[in-house]
Amino acid sequence: KAGVTQTPRYLIKTRGQQVTLSCSPISGHRSVSWYQQTPGQGLQFLFEYFSETQRNKGNFPGRFSGRQFSNSRSEMNVSTLELGDSALYLCASNEGLLNEQFFGPGTRLTVL
Amino acid sequence: TQLLEQSPQFLSIQEGENLTVYCNSSSVFSSLQWYRQEPGEGPVLLVTVVTGGEVKKLKRLTFQFGDARKDSSLHITAAQPGDTGLYLCAGDPLGGTSYGKLTFGQGTILTVHP
Repeated sequence: KAGVTQTPRYLIKTRGQQVTLSCSPISGHRSVSWYQQTPGQGLQFLFEYFSETQRNKGNFPGRFSGRQFSNSRSEMNVSTLELGDSALYLCASNEGLLNEQFFGPGTRLTVL
Repeated sequence: TQLLEQSPQFLSIQEGENLTVYCNSSSVFSSLQWYRQEPGEGPVLLVTVVTGGEVKKLKRLTFQFGDARKDSSLHITAAQPGDTGLYLCAGDPLGGTSYGKLTFGQGTILTVHP
């Protein structure tokens, strides 16, 4: 099976802009989670979707949002970008066993 | 808030040496996972431990889950340069209702010199 794919791999934006990141999970996986990884805070959970419904979310401001489509593909959106949003954004899919996450390569977002 | 403290933060050793990475918490976890991440890539799942006191071996890697399910360790025997990377522990607090949410340790950056 193909792994989790994320597009784009790299993105450079300026403060105030918005950005949309895309994720395609492993075929058959219906749960998709998003994480933010920074050197200072490590990996932090953003939210999780299953069957187009958000089931869980972390402690991030409302500027961070996501959605999931009927084919399990997911997108996350960050509006009004801030410098502190610069990070590696990781998408992970899960087939429902033991909450084991299969991560994609990530999207490196740089906010200038 | 459940926290996982991982130590050491950095480890630089010579090929052939043994090492242990620790992951500790004051909270109980339903299961604990270990991941390895290389630069420019996402974390890759190495193992999941579920039962208190459980020991799992993956070639030269030995993983242990504490009896109280609050801590875990990763031991690497005869480290090789290919073991270089960021090692992350991640705890699942609620099991079936965690819905994707894992608590990650800060990670251990391991460098194995030839």
